[in-house]
Amino acid sequence: AQSVAQPEDQVNVAEGNPLTVKCTYSVSGNPYLFWYVQYPNRGLQFLLKYITGDNLVKGSYGFEAEFNKSQTSFHLKKPSALVSDSALYFCAVRAPISGSARQLTFGSGTQLTVLP
Amino acid sequence: DSGVTQTPKHLITATGQRVTLRCSPRSGDLSVYWYQQSLDQGLQFLIQYYNGEERAKGNILERFSAQQFPDLHSELNLSSLELGDSALYFCASSARTGESGEKLFFGSGTQLSVL
Repeated sequence: AQSVAQPEDQVNVAEGNPLTVKCTYSVSGNPYLFWYVQYPNRGLQFLLKYITGDNLVKGSYGFEAEFNKSQTSFHLKKPSALVSDSALYFCAVRAPISGSARQLTFGSGTQLTVLP
Repeated sequence: DSGVTQTPKHLITATGQRVTLRCSPRSGDLSVYWYQQSLDQGLQFLIQYYNGEERAKGNILERFSAQQFPDLHSELNLSSLELGDSALYFCASSARTGESGEKLFFGSGTQLSVL
């Protein structure tokens, strides 16, 4: 079965500082990896994804993530945090085959708070 | 705006009742997904429809059912409601089946409260 772990429920960072939101995964085969963000009273919004190719993926709003196959990680990063980045962040994984067990599986989410 | 429309935004009902949640996908998207979000279970995949046909089924209870109509909108029916069914229900859509890794577009959700 595939799974995603986000080990931190809460991450606090000062505005202007770099931020990292951690994600590790477990899946058979080569994974498709995603980051989504959820603002209060809103649905999830796509940030970035890794399918294949360059291990460093750049996404929306200045976010990037690095795929590390040996550590089965896909940490989300941003060089300089903004107060407006405060939101709930979800990592997700799916295996590139069909079937119910291979649907997009989400982590438990990490609440990012950027302090002014 | 994701282009995915969910109605109603809020629904308050009593135990034992039946409700219908509606979703209109983004224009041109063929897949519709239903997810349930709760504090204790997180985001759980319920079911996916692709071009009118059931594509994949996840942790969906037998009391719940869904369908996708010819115009591609979808409805999630929840019956014999229990207190534990209170959650935020999201609909998402994607262009194709999702198996090639395309991104999902989420609606704003329907907040269901069962009293």
